[in-house]
Amino acid sequence: DGGITQSPKYLFRKEGQNVTLSCEQNLNHDAMYWYRQDPGQGLRLIYYSQIVNDFQKGDIAEGYSVSREKKESFPLTVTSAQKNPTAFYLCASRAEPNEQYFGPGTRLTVT
Amino acid sequence: AQSVTQLGSHVSVSEGALVLLRCNYSSSVPPYLFWYVQYPNQGLQLLLKYTSAATLVKGINGFEAEFKKSETSFHLTKPSAHMSDAAEYFCAVSVPGYSTLTFGKGTMLLVSP
Repeated sequence: DGGITQSPKYLFRKEGQNVTLSCEQNLNHDAMYWYRQDPGQGLRLIYYSQIVNDFQKGDIAEGYSVSREKKESFPLTVTSAQKNPTAFYLCASRAEPNEQYFGPGTRLTVT
Repeated sequence: AQSVTQLGSHVSVSEGALVLLRCNYSSSVPPYLFWYVQYPNQGLQLLLKYTSAATLVKGINGFEAEFKKSETSFHLTKPSAHMSDAAEYFCAVSVPGYSTLTFGKGTMLLVSP
């Protein structure tokens, strides 16, 4: 089955630690996205990548970093500089025209 | 820049009643429009999309939406609600040539027996 996998489903970290969220797709899509979801705020774009070795900042990139070394993979690192990292994180990839497919999400809790 | 407004953060209906979720968009060029559904602690699933073909779009699970350019609207409807329709629904807009989607803040649909 083609799709997007995100791991782990739940992640707990102490404040001050960096943490990396995994996103893998086997849909052969070029473009991939990371969103943050908070209650009542919809989805906000963190970073996106349209091709391997290239990525662009979204609306709320501060405190996050990404890499795109392989077409299938787009990991997101939440750094200690992110002031309020507790949230639900969603990864997506894009088919044309602009239809996005989403993974199941990772719920990150930082205490 | 594009934007989406979803009217009503929560909508309550009885099982069997009409579902109407409202979405208005702003775009300087003809847009692509999407409706997604999200069940608790899950990712988003595409319900339907408008990409400049027929203005009445049919989607999965009996949902449909009509693109009305004069009203800049793309409201989602379903004739008869089912308990399994209870979820959060997101409207999104993009334009040809741009690679990002802009999402509304979502509408939670509550279905009572």
